[in-house]
Amino acid sequence: AQSVAQPEDQVNVAEGNPLTVKCTYSVSGNPYLFWYVQYPNRGLQFLLKYITGDNLVKGSYGFEAEFNKSQTSFHLKKPSALVSDSALYFCAVLTDSWGKLQFGAGTQVVVTP
Amino acid sequence: EAGVAQSPRYKIIEKRQSVAFWCNPISGHATLYWYQQILGQGPKLLIQFQNNGVVDDSQLPKDRFSAERLKGVDSTLKIQPAKLEDSAVYLCASSLGLASYNEQFFGPGTRLTVL
Repeated sequence: AQSVAQPEDQVNVAEGNPLTVKCTYSVSGNPYLFWYVQYPNRGLQFLLKYITGDNLVKGSYGFEAEFNKSQTSFHLKKPSALVSDSALYFCAVLTDSWGKLQFGAGTQVVVTP
Repeated sequence: EAGVAQSPRYKIIEKRQSVAFWCNPISGHATLYWYQQILGQGPKLLIQFQNNGVVDDSQLPKDRFSAERLKGVDSTLKIQPAKLEDSAVYLCASSLGLASYNEQFFGPGTRLTVL
């Protein structure tokens, strides 16, 4: 079965420091991977996706993610975090050809001034 | 463009009562999803529509949950009767079509509390 794991419940980082949110995956075949962000009392917003091609994927709001096949990881990164990046981040993997996503449990990011 | 609309935003009911949620997807989006997000967990797909047909409802508790998407646009999700464990945020999402690379656009959700 296709699945993703987010090993950290919460990540704390100071504003201006690099931010990394970890995600590992388990799939049969080639993975289609996604990152979404959820702000309080709002729905999920799409950040970026990996389908094929370059291992470094650039997305919205200055975020990027690195696909690593040997480590089965798809970590989300931002070079310099902002207080406004504080939110809940979800990694997801496509589980079928009809667009069904399996989400991780989420990682709460807290950026302090 | 207008996003995915959902109503109500909040609902409090007692167990064994009925409740219904409404979703209006982004115009032109053929695929519509309903998710259940329990506190501390990622969203779980309940049902997926392509136009007005069901693509996947394998995780929908059909003894109490039902959903429809008449005319292939708006959708309603109903719970009857509700249980305490149904307390969650119900998210609606839409995408252009069934192509696996299409990102999904989410509404703000309906927070359901069952007492």
